[in-house]
Amino acid sequence: DTEVTQTPKHLVMGMTNKKSLKCEQHMGHRAMYWYKQKAKKPPELMFVYSYEKLSINESVPSRFSPECPNSSLLNLHLHALQPEDSALYLCASSRIRDKQNIQYFGAGTRLSVL
Amino acid sequence: GDSVTQMEGPVTLSEEAFLTINCTYTATGYPSLFWYVQYPGEGLQLLLKATKADDKGSNKGFEATYRKETTSFHLEKGSVQVSDSAVYFCALSDQTGANNLFFGTGTRLTVIP
Repeated sequence: DTEVTQTPKHLVMGMTNKKSLKCEQHMGHRAMYWYKQKAKKPPELMFVYSYEKLSINESVPSRFSPECPNSSLLNLHLHALQPEDSALYLCASSRIRDKQNIQYFGAGTRLSVL
Repeated sequence: GDSVTQMEGPVTLSEEAFLTINCTYTATGYPSLFWYVQYPGEGLQLLLKATKADDKGSNKGFEATYRKETTSFHLEKGSVQVSDSAVYFCALSDQTGANNLFFGTGTRLTVIP
């Protein structure tokens, strides 16, 4: 099983809403990632968790708040977003210290901020 | 720093045509190299990989060879199908242990019947 599951697939929210994106994997991977992808652009790394601890935060605004409650789950809490935050949010996972560093991606959550 | 330069698109081909998408990289050390594919409305799927010089990655008729002397990892397919229409991303992993992936800008391929 090489599946990373993301929910919801689509999300529309207002600028005052609070919502959460969820990501789950059962491959035993101890590294998990959040990426943001705008249209016609490559994914941009937002956060990396290693062993359930935040190891990389790529200067992401505080209106994005990641959480890794256990080794299989990764959440992204959203609050007071701006219209420019509308994008496809991708989750990925990989083994730690994997020489090949294969990252497995979910299908993404397409977020629209009104 | 590490980076990937990828052929600009979009690329439009007729079915059964030969495909090449160029990718070159800059890296210290010996990175792993990847091609990911993104079908419309979906996430990224690993298409193929190579972890050392002269390795050839292959999958679904696509191939790419890790060329250290030219720092390249060009994607090729001998006969494309309409179902290959997608965006293709070249990427490298920097081997620092941080598991970072560096992506190229992506190349949109459209195959017409």
